[in-house]
Amino acid sequence: KAGVTQTPRYLIKTRGQQVTLSCSPISGHRSVSWYQQTPGQGLQFLFEYFSETQRNKGNFPGRFSGRQFSNSRSEMNVSTLELGDSALYLCASSLTGGSGANVLTFGAGSRLTVL
Amino acid sequence: GEDVEQSLFLSVREGDSSVINCTYTDSSSTYLYWYKQEPGAGLQLLTYIFSNMDMKQDQRLTVLLNKKDKHLSLRIADTQTGDSAIYFCAESIDNQGGKLIFGQGTELSVKP
Repeated sequence: KAGVTQTPRYLIKTRGQQVTLSCSPISGHRSVSWYQQTPGQGLQFLFEYFSETQRNKGNFPGRFSGRQFSNSRSEMNVSTLELGDSALYLCASSLTGGSGANVLTFGAGSRLTVL
Repeated sequence: GEDVEQSLFLSVREGDSSVINCTYTDSSSTYLYWYKQEPGAGLQLLTYIFSNMDMKQDQRLTVLLNKKDKHLSLRIADTQTGDSAIYFCAESIDNQGGKLIFGQGTELSVKP
């Protein structure tokens, strides 16, 4: 069974640009969550999508957005990049993300560097 | 509010037991999790415990939960050099779906 696949693994952008990251969940998983990991702030929840709808949202500015497609694949977009957006962006999928233990399976992450 | 705290570093000798501690503040936590992150990799789920349980054992891993004190610990028996990694505790809140609140992570260093 393939795991959670994130692309690209590494990318470098300059301030003001925008970036799109992609996440393919485990087959059959309908919930996809995104997290930002930085040395200073640690792991912070960005948002969660389930059945193409944003179900939960963290405390990030509107420059951070996402979407989910009918095949459960998800993308996140960051517009007008700032130096502080440099981070490892982790995607995680789960079956439903509803009640019960929320067993998230994480991808390897997309490491974004903003110059 | 939601907050999860962990000590940042732990160093042990190979073969010893490691105990990683975590405290959380939200009393509506439903499940508590332990994840492991190796360099350059994502997070790997090690184990989780329902908030109404006191203890869970899974091979070399033992999780203890003191709900009254909101204290969670992960004990790794017979620690090996391959256990060197960053360990995160996390909590989920009822009806918050895929949102987990993570601690800062404890870097475990295992010396031969």
